Amino acid sequence: AQRVTQPEKLLSVFKGAPVELKCNYSYSGSPELFWYVQYSRQRLQLLLRHISRESIKGFTADLNKGETSFHLKKPFAQEEDSAMYYCALSNYGGSQGNLIFGKGTKLSVKP
Amino acid sequence: DADVTQTPRNRITKTGKRIMLECSQTKGHDRMYWYRQDPGLGLRLIYYSFDVKDINKGEISDGYSVSRQAQAKFSLSLESAIPNQTALYFCATSVRHKEGDQPQHFGDGTRLSIL
Repeated sequence: AQRVTQPEKLLSVFKGAPVELKCNYSYSGSPELFWYVQYSRQRLQLLLRHISRESIKGFTADLNKGETSFHLKKPFAQEEDSAMYYCALSNYGGSQGNLIFGKGTKLSVKP
Repeated sequence: DADVTQTPRNRITKTGKRIMLECSQTKGHDRMYWYRQDPGLGLRLIYYSFDVKDINKGEISDGYSVSRQAQAKFSLSLESAIPNQTALYFCATSVRHKEGDQPQHFGDGTRLSIL
């Protein structure tokens, strides 16, 4: 079954500390993976996607096919990073042809 | 700026009522989606459409219906609303590209409360 797992519902760190948001996936084909962010009272917006291999707002994520993971990392967290983060897997070509989302991790960055 | 617009932004209604949520986009995307977001459950797909009059069920389509009469519009209906359909509903759009799936672009959401 195609699935995205984000094991942490809540992650709390202090400003300046490193942060890692975990994402594991289950998919039989060649995955396309995304991270979306939702700031308080705002719409979901794309943070980054694995095929672009770029860094957005200091965040990076590396696809590890051996461990089926796509963890999101930032070396020094900022208070404005506090938000809900969703990992998503593209299911195009599968039974649904859409994104499969994890349940999300709420990141809280304390001053 | 090209955008995804949802109406209404908030709606409170009673059990048994018929409700329609509207989504319109000016992005020129061919694909449109409806999700619901519940605390602790993330986003779950209700229906999606890859073209005008193309309709596909998602993970949780029971109790919902959709209509795609034009490329820019995708409406979601609750024929007879029930309290457990209280949620935040998001519309999204995307386009298929030769380089792969393009990211989905989301509207601001509709907060629906059913009493």
